Amino acid sequence: KQEVTQIPAALSVPEGENLVLNCSFTDSAIYNLQWFRQDPGKGLTSLLLIQSSQREQTSGRLNASLDKSSGRSTLYIAASQPGDSATYLCASAGAGTALIFGKGTTLSVSS
Amino acid sequence: EAGVAQSPRYKIIEKRQSVAFWCNPISGHATLYWYQQILGQGPKLLIQFQNNGVVDDSQLPKDRFSAERLKGVDSTLKIQPAKLEDSAVYLCASSVTDVAYGYTFGSGTRLTVV
Repeated sequence: KQEVTQIPAALSVPEGENLVLNCSFTDSAIYNLQWFRQDPGKGLTSLLLIQSSQREQTSGRLNASLDKSSGRSTLYIAASQPGDSATYLCASAGAGTALIFGKGTTLSVSS
Repeated sequence: EAGVAQSPRYKIIEKRQSVAFWCNPISGHATLYWYQQILGQGPKLLIQFQNNGVVDDSQLPKDRFSAERLKGVDSTLKIQPAKLEDSAVYLCASSVTDVAYGYTFGSGTRLTVV
């Protein structure tokens, strides 16, 4: 059974720092891996989706990488801003199966 | 395109009462998911529909939870009777196919059981 773990559980940084959020998964036979953002009291917003055949995806200041062999993904946020404060969730999916989520990393960026 | 609609946004009930949540997915999305997110946890899948058929309900507490998706469009999730530990946010999501690609989530229903 797939398990997804995210480290750290919480992170506080000053504005402008580059930071990395980590995600690990136990079953390397994934179809894709997705990163979501969740603001308090809101639903989930998809940030990046990496197919199993890809190594990374980029969107603006965000870059996500995928290493299936080691069961790891990272989300890199460049030049962090207070507006980046949110919970970031990592989720993996097998072919035909629904997303399995980690517990998330709560990020706080201070100005 | 319109997003995934969920209602109500908030619900407070007493334990042992019943409650129902409604979800309207994005038009044309064949697959619909209900997730439960307890405070401080990641979302956990309760049930996955493909059109109006159930694909996965292995984590649905069937003694108290039920869900249906009539005509392969809207869906309702019901809890009867509710327990204190059912307090959570219930998220609905939809995707085009049965493969996990391009999920769109609704804003969720926050349930408090007192």
